Amino acid sequence: DAGITQSPRHKVTETGTPVTLRCHQTENHRYMYWYRQDPGHGLRLIHYSYGVKDTDKGEVSDGYSVSRSKTEDFLLTLESATSSQTSVYFCAISEYQGDYGYTFGSGTRLTVV
Amino acid sequence: EDQVTQSPEALRLQEGESSSLNCSYTVSGLRGLFWYRQDPGKGPEFLFTLYSAGEEKEKERLKATLTKKESFLHITAPKPEDSATYLCAVTGSGNTGKLIFGQGTTLQVKP
Repeated sequence: DAGITQSPRHKVTETGTPVTLRCHQTENHRYMYWYRQDPGHGLRLIHYSYGVKDTDKGEVSDGYSVSRSKTEDFLLTLESATSSQTSVYFCAISEYQGDYGYTFGSGTRLTVV
Repeated sequence: EDQVTQSPEALRLQEGESSSLNCSYTVSGLRGLFWYRQDPGKGPEFLFTLYSAGEEKEKERLKATLTKKESFLHITAPKPEDSATYLCAVTGSGNTGKLIFGQGTTLQVKP
């Protein structure tokens, strides 16, 4: 989607290293979300943000941290990557509290070896 | 606990063979039910939002319906380009706008 960009698109990293994924939006939406998608589990919420410097945990937040210093950027950090964090990560944005659905980015495929 | 269950997990159809995908949900105070389409290697793409039982939405060969416990995505005379994974999600009054997703139904339409 042109209004939301994730980077990098693919990354391979070693166990124990820190990794940061970036989500950038040009829609000026208030709400931003990080999900991970795994076979057999579907999309699961990691963290979300409801404004600059306002963030909260989702259902699978252990091992992840986030930051949002500007409306347009939402960063997801894996402090010390583990093989269980190998996944596809999606960022999503919404103008309201999700009542009208989300717009998703194209995803980041992360492999931890 | 809010929960979404989709069935079947996978569905194979011949081109032109109509069928339905099911999404059963349990949520406190439904605020919206959403259908997304996801192609391999891409992010989910929004299809429909339904807000109350009895509501229906249509788009080309797709029609979504909603009851108090489940939603159906009806696919009429599907074409190979309809092949994708279809995701259902809900948001309720108890989860402050966060979407809870089902595991999806992967549809393959053969020519």
